[in-house]
Amino acid sequence: NAGVMQNPRHLVRRRGQEARLRCSPMKGHSHVYWYRQLPEEGLKFMVYLQKENIIDESGMPKERFSAEFPKEGPSILRIQQVVRGDSAAYFCASSPGQGPYNSPLHFGNGTRLTVT
Amino acid sequence: AQSVTQLDSQVPVFEEAPVELRCNYSSSVSVYLFWYVQYPNQGLQLLLKYLSGSTLVKGINGFEAEFNKSQTSFHLRKPSVHISDTAEYFCAVSETYNTDKLIFGTGTRLQVFP
Repeated sequence: NAGVMQNPRHLVRRRGQEARLRCSPMKGHSHVYWYRQLPEEGLKFMVYLQKENIIDESGMPKERFSAEFPKEGPSILRIQQVVRGDSAAYFCASSPGQGPYNSPLHFGNGTRLTVT
Repeated sequence: AQSVTQLDSQVPVFEEAPVELRCNYSSSVSVYLFWYVQYPNQGLQLLLKYLSGSTLVKGINGFEAEFNKSQTSFHLRKPSVHISDTAEYFCAVSETYNTDKLIFGTGTRLQVFP
């Protein structure tokens, strides 16, 4: 039973390029969450999605960042025109439903984005 | 808004010694509380959670935590640590009526020495 799969594990982009991070939730999970971990900091919530719907994007930067979770396929976190400050570890988590009674959130191993 | 403070960024300890990792939170509403562990280059794994009921919560790998509402704390303890417990530990909270997102502390790095 595969866990949350994120790819790539490491991604290097030059300033101005686009970064696409993929997350396949655990089988049977329809809720996906994206978190960002900056160096020496805890994880910061970015966005919560269900299939084809963005439920809560209060943690997403207003510009350059977008997320989707289509009916088929993985969830995608897209960062356009990356800047050095976007360098971080991006974690995806999934759950079968909303709320702590459906916890724990199952986290992937993250994508480490480096912007040069 | 909620916030989580982990007072110690690093905790060095010898193997088989007891350890306590401190966590304090701030919230104007009721919260749920969590401890997660992160091993190098991996995602987070839930150690334990407090939702309601007994304030002493037991988790995996011999860890336990006690919810103290008056002191707004949720300290993590283990009576005897092992080398394999070396990792980063994160305390987190979520609102009871808005559980979409977890608010994490900045983490405590537990380093266990032989």
